[in-house]
Amino acid sequence: EDKVVQSPLSLVVHEGDTVTLNCSYEVTNFRSLLWYKQEKKAPTFLFMLTSSGIEKKSGRLSSILDKKELFSILNITATQTGDSAVYLCARTRSGGSNYKLTFGKGTLLTVNP
Amino acid sequence: ETGVTQSPTHLIKTRGQQVTLRCSSQSGHNTVSWYQQALGQGPQFIFQYYREEENGRGNFPPRFSGLQFPNYSSELNVNALELDDSALYLCASSFPEHMDEQFFGPGTRLTVL
Repeated sequence: EDKVVQSPLSLVVHEGDTVTLNCSYEVTNFRSLLWYKQEKKAPTFLFMLTSSGIEKKSGRLSSILDKKELFSILNITATQTGDSAVYLCARTRSGGSNYKLTFGKGTLLTVNP
Repeated sequence: ETGVTQSPTHLIKTRGQQVTLRCSSQSGHNTVSWYQQALGQGPQFIFQYYREEENGRGNFPPRFSGLQFPNYSSELNVNALELDDSALYLCASSFPEHMDEQFFGPGTRLTVL
């Protein structure tokens, strides 16, 4: 099973708040977990995680993977209105010949001034 | 270095017609994947091409077909369009040594009337 579940589905915060977005996945043949930001059309790559417990960081964004509990979180500190977007989580599987991404439904983040 | 590009940006067709969408990979990328994103959903994997051959397919009927050309650009063809085919169609490409890490184009918004 390839299910990816994101929560919450939507979130409204004020500028300066810190947010945590969640992504859980089913374990079968897990290879990697990716986060994307989608503002209008093209999802923009944020992070790829393969190892448990190692935080990846880019500016105010950070992400970590827990392969034992089968989830990842994306943290955004000191949010800005430009962070308003849909955040997508996706996983890949090992063992096959292709590298398809299986996505969750996304979390719609709205940051109000 | 140019990113992934797609054409056209928008397209309106009627039920039963056929459509061809195009994608140019990012420089150096030899793998291209196509995804369908319905409103409010995460992208769904259609198929992937690697070195001009189909390298995996999602749960889409045979009327969805594709091609990859020697310059790694790609086409998605959809025959006998149905109303439910209305969606954003995204193309993504990746480097051969980092095939999980996929970079998306801006998409083609297809409306079927």
